[in-house]
Amino acid sequence: EVQLVESGGGLVQPGRSLKLSCLASGFTFSNYGMNWIRQAPGKGLEWVASISSSSSYIYYADTVKGRFTISRDNAKNTLYLQMTSLRSEDTALYYCASGVASWGQGVMVTVSS
Amino acid sequence: DIQLTQSPSTLPASLGERVTISCRASQSISNSLNWYQQKPDGTVKRLIYSTSTLESGVPSRFSGSGSGTDYSLSISSLESEDFAMYYCLQYATYPYTFGAGTKLELK
Repeated sequence: EVQLVESGGGLVQPGRSLKLSCLASGFTFSNYGMNWIRQAPGKGLEWVASISSSSSYIYYADTVKGRFTISRDNAKNTLYLQMTSLRSEDTALYYCASGVASWGQGVMVTVSS
Repeated sequence: DIQLTQSPSTLPASLGERVTISCRASQSISNSLNWYQQKPDGTVKRLIYSTSTLESGVPSRFSGSGSGTDYSLSISSLESEDFAMYYCLQYATYPYTFGAGTKLELK
């Protein structure tokens, strides 16, 4: 069974940084591209970033480009999202997804002073 | 960027009813469209991929169709567990984009 477990969320002040992790199990992590997707409170889904299986290809939404960095460690079956210069509009539930198939339960990030 | 216009935003329906949700893309996406269901606890599940392929374990009352710019998700006979939010996603080109969502609610 595919499992994706996000961690690292919390309350952070504007301008600060936070790093999310997503631990994958139940499938061959190194064979799949991975994604981060977020949902602001009461809003719809927004794709954030994608990374290919070998990290050769990386894409970002314009809203986070230059501030967020997606990465992965295939030896640890873990996906990361390094978030810097956080803004209030980054407040959201952040999901990791294998390809765009299986999703985790999400981790909440709240940016507020 | 490709925009997805999803309609309706809210869909009141009754148990046993057949419903259809539409997703229109701003340009052709060559069947690169998925449908997702989101429950109130935040759990997201892929129902349909590549326009019309049913995810394993998803009931056959769900179906997807479309081509070019116009796509739809149909539920043939609503059951209580189907009342949820539904989203379409295009993955033809980056940035990936979602429709704004459809809230399927009990009439």
